[in-house]
Amino acid sequence: EPEVTQTPSHQVTQMGQEVILRCVPISNHLYFYWYRQILGQKVEFLVSFYNNEISEKSEIFDDQFSVERPDGSNFTLKIRSTKLEDSAMYFCASSGGGTGALGEQYFGPGTRLTVT
Amino acid sequence: KQEVTQIPAALSVPEGENLVLNCSFTDSAIYNLQWFRQDPGKGLTSLLLIQSSQREQTSGRLNASLDKSSGRSTLYIAASQPGDSATYLCAVRLIYNQGGKLIFGQGTELSVKP
Repeated sequence: EPEVTQTPSHQVTQMGQEVILRCVPISNHLYFYWYRQILGQKVEFLVSFYNNEISEKSEIFDDQFSVERPDGSNFTLKIRSTKLEDSAMYFCASSGGGTGALGEQYFGPGTRLTVT
Repeated sequence: KQEVTQIPAALSVPEGENLVLNCSFTDSAIYNLQWFRQDPGKGLTSLLLIQSSQREQTSGRLNASLDKSSGRSTLYIAASQPGDSATYLCAVRLIYNQGGKLIFGQGTELSVKP
């Protein structure tokens, strides 16, 4: 069964460093998302992406964050200068088919980001 | 602002029991609602997607109902098993969020005892 994959599973970085989290969405999906979950808190939407541009973003997704689809299979989230409060589990998701952005979203296993 | 609340926060039941998890939302202008399962330290597994025009959706031992006007959804799990132990999350998509943003509840942590 097709699934969303994410790498790395765990990333440790120092405050102020740049990190890139990578995702491979389900191959025929066209809508891509990033969410995060700070330990013990709700899952929060960050951004959605379609046709090489951002469809929607939350107030969390400020200038420190960017997303990119560098090729036909990968979808990345970059955090330019990490802060301690960026420590969280980051989930990539994708959706597709006829309902597109309004269809069922499939999530990856997550990347745990620890900022020290 | 849409708020999604799940009650109870935690639930422990003996194996074999039927159980109901609750999800409520404040803004009834939803497009659809999705139920997920999350195992500790893992990703989210989609269980059911129920459209705003639907009253219920079934998959195996799971049945989700939706009452949009009262802002409620329930997830019914029949004949619970220890393998059902996980956190169950509901998430809504508002009609305004054409970009597909899901708004999550905090989850119900379910423990099924053998």
